[in-house]
Amino acid sequence: EVQLVQSGAEVKKPGESLRISCEGAGYIFADYWIAWVRQMPGKGLEWMGILYPGDSDVRYGPSFQGQVTISADRSTNTAYLQWSRLKASDTAIYYCARLQQLPPNNWFDSWGQGTLVTVSS
Amino acid sequence: DIQMTQSPSSLSASVGDRVTITCRASQNIRRYLNWYQHKPGKAPNLLIYGASSLQSGVPSRFSGSGSGTDFSLTISGLQPEDFATYFCQQSYTNMYTFGQGTTLEIK
Repeated sequence: EVQLVQSGAEVKKPGESLRISCEGAGYIFADYWIAWVRQMPGKGLEWMGILYPGDSDVRYGPSFQGQVTISADRSTNTAYLQWSRLKASDTAIYYCARLQQLPPNNWFDSWGQGTLVTVSS
Repeated sequence: DIQMTQSPSSLSASVGDRVTITCRASQNIRRYLNWYQHKPGKAPNLLIYGASSLQSGVPSRFSGSGSGTDFSLTISGLQPEDFATYFCQQSYTNMYTFGQGTTLEIK
């Protein structure tokens, strides 16, 4: 069974750094793109970026380029989403999701349970 | 960027009803359109991919249709567990934009 297990909730202050994680299990981690998706309070889903663990190719959504860093460690089957300086507006639930590809189509077929990040002074 | 617009933003219905949610793309995305169900505190769940293909394990009361710029998700015979928020998402480009969501509430 494919599973994406995310790290637990975080409470941080503005200006602090943070890295949250998403561990894949039940499939070959390196072979599937992993995306990060943000849900701000009371809002919809926003695609942040996507990474291919096989070669660490990363693409960011326009609103997130330069704001976050997406990375992965193939040795531990884990993807990461990182901030160097958090802002209150980063308060949100963050989901990771696996991209299933049946060229030319693709879709997110498995999701993590979400990580709540709260940034408050 | 491709913009995805869903309507309505919220919808009240009763168990047993048939409901339809629509999603419009700002440009032609052929059939690269997926639908997800999202319940509070849970991971989103893929329902439909490629505009009309039912994901394995999803009940057949869910169906999708459309191509180009206009798409719809229909739930035939609403069940109590179907009350949730539904999102469309385009995969025509690798920017993967989502619609703003449609919340389906119990009448």
